[in-house]
Amino acid sequence: DSGVTQTPKHLITATGQRVTLRCSPRSGDLSVYWYQQSLDQGLQFLIHYYNGEERAKGNILERFSAQQFPDLHSELNLSSLELGDSALYFCASSDRRGVGEQFFGPGTRLTVL
Amino acid sequence: GNSVTQMEGPVTLSEEAFLTINCTYTATGYPSLFWYVQYPGEGLQLLLKATKADDKGSNKGFEATYRKETTSFHLEKGSVQVSDSAVYFCALKPIFGNEKLTFGTGTRLTIIP
Repeated sequence: DSGVTQTPKHLITATGQRVTLRCSPRSGDLSVYWYQQSLDQGLQFLIHYYNGEERAKGNILERFSAQQFPDLHSELNLSSLELGDSALYFCASSDRRGVGEQFFGPGTRLTVL
Repeated sequence: GNSVTQMEGPVTLSEEAFLTINCTYTATGYPSLFWYVQYPGEGLQLLLKATKADDKGSNKGFEATYRKETTSFHLEKGSVQVSDSAVYFCALKPIFGNEKLTFGTGTRLTIIP
């Protein structure tokens, strides 16, 4: 158990809909990262938040957005969903004081029908 | 930019065989290097890491040595077990700038009894 929690575990929805994925980092970790794992793209970095502020963006679509709240949990919002958004979405956290080790949550599997 | 090139899979071995999964990287400076493992239906777990040249990371019988001259971080294990069946990801994190992890494509390993 990494100490990072993600909800829900599975999500099935239809094209055009909007969903919210939630992540709680390890106790004390200020950084949250979101990654997408799909069959065709592999594991790709989406976005990084540190203590409530956006720090870096990767290949994140404009239909996707994220935020980190004062209690440090983070949410990834996916809107106008398309079939190609079906993937496993991972959250990871880090304390940024060590050697960059990131601890991953169990992931949310999103299926868009 | 940064990139990780990983041995194509899938790899199938008999129990107690010797394992090598190749990983090479391209990065500016001296990144930290990681091997993550993903067991079926689970999230990513950090297997081992190395933060500077000639460092050897080791865990659960797996080893990898940070080779700056060949920009490699090959994963090895002397005697694999059925329980080692999983997908293995090589990853790097730059020492400066964005702390996102850049992953290889993953290598699926299956161990046959």
